[in-house]
Amino acid sequence: EVELVESGGGLVKPGGSLRLSCAVSGFSFSTYNMNWVRQAPGKGLEWVSSVTASSSHTFYADSVKGRFTISRDNAKNSLYLQMNSLTVEDTAVYYCARDSGRVPGLPGHFDYWGQGALVTVSS
Amino acid sequence: AIQMTQSPSSLSASVGDSVTITCRASQHITNQLGWYQQRPGRGPKLLISDASFLQSGVSSRFSGSQSGTDFTLTISSLQPEDFVTYYCLQDYNYPLTFGGGTKVEIK
Repeated sequence: EVELVESGGGLVKPGGSLRLSCAVSGFSFSTYNMNWVRQAPGKGLEWVSSVTASSSHTFYADSVKGRFTISRDNAKNSLYLQMNSLTVEDTAVYYCARDSGRVPGLPGHFDYWGQGALVTVSS
Repeated sequence: AIQMTQSPSSLSASVGDSVTITCRASQHITNQLGWYQQRPGRGPKLLISDASFLQSGVSSRFSGSQSGTDFTLTISSLQPEDFVTYYCLQDYNYPLTFGGGTKVEIK
């Protein structure tokens, strides 16, 4: 069974940093692109970042570019999101999601999602 | 970036009704659009990929179609568990973009 479990959320002050993790199981992690998506309280979904299976390419939303870094450790079946210079606008539930891998190297639909980790940025 | 305009933002319907949700892409995205269902407090669930491909295990009451850059999700014979929020996502190119969401409420 495919499972994605986010961790590392919490309360952080503006300007602070936080690192989210996503532990996966039930599939060959090293062969799939992975993604982070967030949802601010009461708002819609926002794509945040993607990383290819081999970590050769990373992609970011303009809203987080230069502040967030996506990475992965295929040996540990884990995805990460390092978030720096956090602002109140980054307050959201952060989901990790698997790219279906419809076409290797290209984006695809998100076929599995975690339950999310809440990040609250507040003084 | 490709903009996805989703409408309506909310709708009211009764159990047994059929409803239609639309997403319009600001440019050509072939058929690379998915529809997702989100229940409160849960991660989204993929319903339809590639505009019209129903995912395994998803009720056949859900269907997707495309006309150019207009994409439609139709839910026929609404059931109580269908009264949640739906999103489209274009996965044609980066940055990936979601529609604003449609909340389906009980009339």
